[in-house]
Amino acid sequence: QKEVEQNSGPLSVPEGAIASLNCTYSDRGSQSFFWYRQYSGKSPELIMSIYSNGDKEDGRFTAQLNKASQYVSLLIRDSQPSDSATYLCAVNMGRDDKIIFGKGTRLHILP
Amino acid sequence: DAGITQSPRHKVTETGTPVTLRCHQTENHRYMYWYRQDPGHGLRLIHYSYGVKDTDKGEVSDGYSVSRSKTEDFLLTLESATSSQTSVYFCAITPGQGYEQYFGPGTRLTVT
Repeated sequence: QKEVEQNSGPLSVPEGAIASLNCTYSDRGSQSFFWYRQYSGKSPELIMSIYSNGDKEDGRFTAQLNKASQYVSLLIRDSQPSDSATYLCAVNMGRDDKIIFGKGTRLHILP
Repeated sequence: DAGITQSPRHKVTETGTPVTLRCHQTENHRYMYWYRQDPGHGLRLIHYSYGVKDTDKGEVSDGYSVSRSKTEDFLLTLESATSSQTSVYFCAITPGQGYEQYFGPGTRLTVT
């Protein structure tokens, strides 16, 4: 059974601090990794994709991938109240056309 | 905006009736997907398509069928709606295997 695991939260972070979201996956052959943000009542919105080991930065967001540990994380610097949402980790496990989604982590930024 | 629309956006229907949801894209992408999202379960794949008339089942395909007669449209049919199919349904597209998926706005379906 291919799985993507996330802590459901809620994760509460003070405004201006760094929010750290974590995700583990079961298939060592996984190739592509994605982070989505979903506001309540809205559809998932892609915020980061990462394909190779290491860090990838985009504005206040940094995705980190460690394939040896089967671990991917998302850091949000200078957290803002507008970052309060559910963050979904998604993994393409390389052998087919499908992406497996985690159940998401609820993030709450405290003003 | 990834050029994806879904219709209807909201629907209430009775148990036992057939329901068809439509996903329309303007990106000419090959791959299209139907998911349902429920509290505690996250996003679960129902069916997907990798080309016109080419479809395959996902993890929760029982009670659902799909059709894709042209690149831009992917239809999801609930053959005889049940209360367990009350959910939010999302369509997604991707340009190719391994690439990120982009989601439509969703359809909230209530089966009474």
